[in-house]
Amino acid sequence: DIQMTQSPSSLSASVGDRVTITCRASQSISSYLNWYQQKPGKAPKLLINAASSLQSGVPSRFSGSGSGTDFTLTISSLQPEDFATYYCQQSYNPPWTFGQGTKVEIK
Amino acid sequence: EVQLVESGGGLVQPGRSLRLSCAASGFTFDDYAMHWVRQAPGKGLEWVSGISWNSGSIGYADSVKGRFTISRDNAKNSLYLQMNSLRAEDTALYHCAKDRGPTVTRAHFDYWGQGTQVTVSS
Repeated sequence: DIQMTQSPSSLSASVGDRVTITCRASQSISSYLNWYQQKPGKAPKLLINAASSLQSGVPSRFSGSGSGTDFTLTISSLQPEDFATYYCQQSYNPPWTFGQGTKVEIK
Repeated sequence: EVQLVESGGGLVQPGRSLRLSCAASGFTFDDYAMHWVRQAPGKGLEWVSGISWNSGSIGYADSVKGRFTISRDNAKNSLYLQMNSLRAEDTALYHCAKDRGPTVTRAHFDYWGQGTQVTVSS
């Protein structure tokens, strides 16, 4: 199975900060990497697929990059509604595996 | 508007069975693969099973293979998960999730339901 490792596991940031979350795959997954946002008590929401393709309706302050084994999710200017847990997921080979999550908290 | 509504969860003893359902609306159900993804209390996301648009391709996580069976009824716009021989480690919130495409290759999930809670305990 492909292991997905996110860092950090949590971070504290202020509104307006630039935030970067990293996801590393245990083997090359090309660009088959997706990012999700989950708020407490809510279902996950797909933000980005194929490493860098922003889903319709997702604010442009979110961006994704990377290929191979190393990927990043960047929030250019953190907004109050962005405080949530973020997960990466590989769609290269089954079983489809997720990172352990990165919780973005208010500083 | 895409809606996925899960049902069928509950408290069950180890070794017993449970059948989850997911009612889908707001999209052409039989054009897309569907999945079950679970989340144990306070934990991350774990893909459980997926089924292609025509039920021709099915996959399971190793942790549930041989115990769980996924199925769908396109005439009823419904997805199911039959869970047998349940274990304490199956305790989780089970989400139904829509795939962006018709097959279970390159799976990623563009809409999710709120989930149904399954608790396995004596």
